[in-house]
Amino acid sequence: SAVISQKPSRDICQRGTSLTIQCQVDSQVTMMFWYRQQPGQSLTLIATANQGSEATYESGFVIDKFPISRPNLTFSTLTVSNMSPEDSSIYLCSVRVAGSTDTQYFGPGTRLTVL
Amino acid sequence: DAKTTQPPSMDCAEGRAANLPCNHSTISGNEYVYWYRQIHSQGPQYIIHGLKNNETNEMASLIITEDRKSSTLILPHATLRDTAVYYCIVRAPLYNQGGKLIFGQGTELSVKP
Repeated sequence: SAVISQKPSRDICQRGTSLTIQCQVDSQVTMMFWYRQQPGQSLTLIATANQGSEATYESGFVIDKFPISRPNLTFSTLTVSNMSPEDSSIYLCSVRVAGSTDTQYFGPGTRLTVL
Repeated sequence: DAKTTQPPSMDCAEGRAANLPCNHSTISGNEYVYWYRQIHSQGPQYIIHGLKNNETNEMASLIITEDRKSSTLILPHATLRDTAVYYCIVRAPLYNQGGKLIFGQGTELSVKP
């Protein structure tokens, strides 16, 4: 398995501002993903974070709104830009561990509230 | 990715087996069935996965029908701490779009004393 930490665990932000969420894993992983979970809803995949290259975004998500970086095998960031109240969600980092049965693990999430 | 259908909610008595069904009638031969659960306000937790054969680990058992069109997750002795939303996911192989996990709505399991 993998131990995944996210910072911050929660935040309250004003509309129009941006927040960067960090994801750190305790071991090298093959793939990293970012998900969003809106209140009362299931998880939605935002993008796959690729090391050293641009992230691969799912339909409905764009780089200008959710820029992602992955400078190495164990760290990634997701920025939520120009926030509005509709961005209030839990944002979750997820990783697939190298050498395992390709199981995917999830971080504890970052709870974001936009006022 | 093949779509899954799960009942939105289920109840189970503490100490009894919880049997959670999942339909995945459009599953392809090389797609895996994964189960995760999400306890309130936490990240999803991996439970078990399988391709064709039944699987068992320390948490649960996974029974996949012979035609692979449905499966059942079994928690043999449910406790109050098993109260959570359970997600059944059909995952494509890694060479197909990187084997992304796409979540449906899941089943909200309530274990009652």
